[in-house]
Amino acid sequence: KQEVTQIPAALSVPEGENLVLNCSFTDSAIYNLQWFRQDPGKGLTSLLLIQSSQREQTSGRLNASLDKSSGRSTLYIAASQPGDSATYLCAGHSGSRLTFGEGTQLTVNP
Amino acid sequence: DGGITQSPKYLFRKEGQNVTLSCEQNLNHDAMYWYRQDPGQGLRLIYYSQIVNDFQKGDIAEGYSVSREKKESFPLTVTSAQKNPTAFYLCASSTGADTQYFGPGTRLTVL
Repeated sequence: KQEVTQIPAALSVPEGENLVLNCSFTDSAIYNLQWFRQDPGKGLTSLLLIQSSQREQTSGRLNASLDKSSGRSTLYIAASQPGDSATYLCAGHSGSRLTFGEGTQLTVNP
Repeated sequence: DGGITQSPKYLFRKEGQNVTLSCEQNLNHDAMYWYRQDPGQGLRLIYYSQIVNDFQKGDIAEGYSVSREKKESFPLTVTSAQKNPTAFYLCASSTGADTQYFGPGTRLTVL
């Protein structure tokens, strides 16, 4: 059974800092890995989807990498802004379903 | 305007009541999903459906039921058998193993 772990559980940084969020998964037979953002009391917004044949994806200041052999994915956020404050969730897609980590709560301080 | 809608946004249930949460999508996606989120936790899969008139149990299906009579609709019923239903419920849809798109959620509270 797929298990997904995210470290750290919470992170507070000053504005402008570059940061890395970590995600590890137990089943290397994932189809893809997806990163989401969740604002308080809201649904999830998809940020990046990395297919199993890919090693990374980029969108603006976000870069996500996937290493299936080590069971790890990272989300890199460049030049963080207060508007980046949210909970970030990673999810591994295996079979016909997603398995979610518990998320990293990010606070970017002005 | 394409997307996923969930209603109501807030729902209150009395002990012993069944309640139904609505989820509608106009993205023409075959697959739809229901998740439960408890405070400070990730999402747990309740039920999913890959095609009309077919659905499978997720990790925490006990006390819940679903139907998939139309492609665009996947309602979730929280029955009285669910002993701790207070949570945030999220619906999603996708084209198979591709990106899942989420609705805004329904917050259910037991009175």
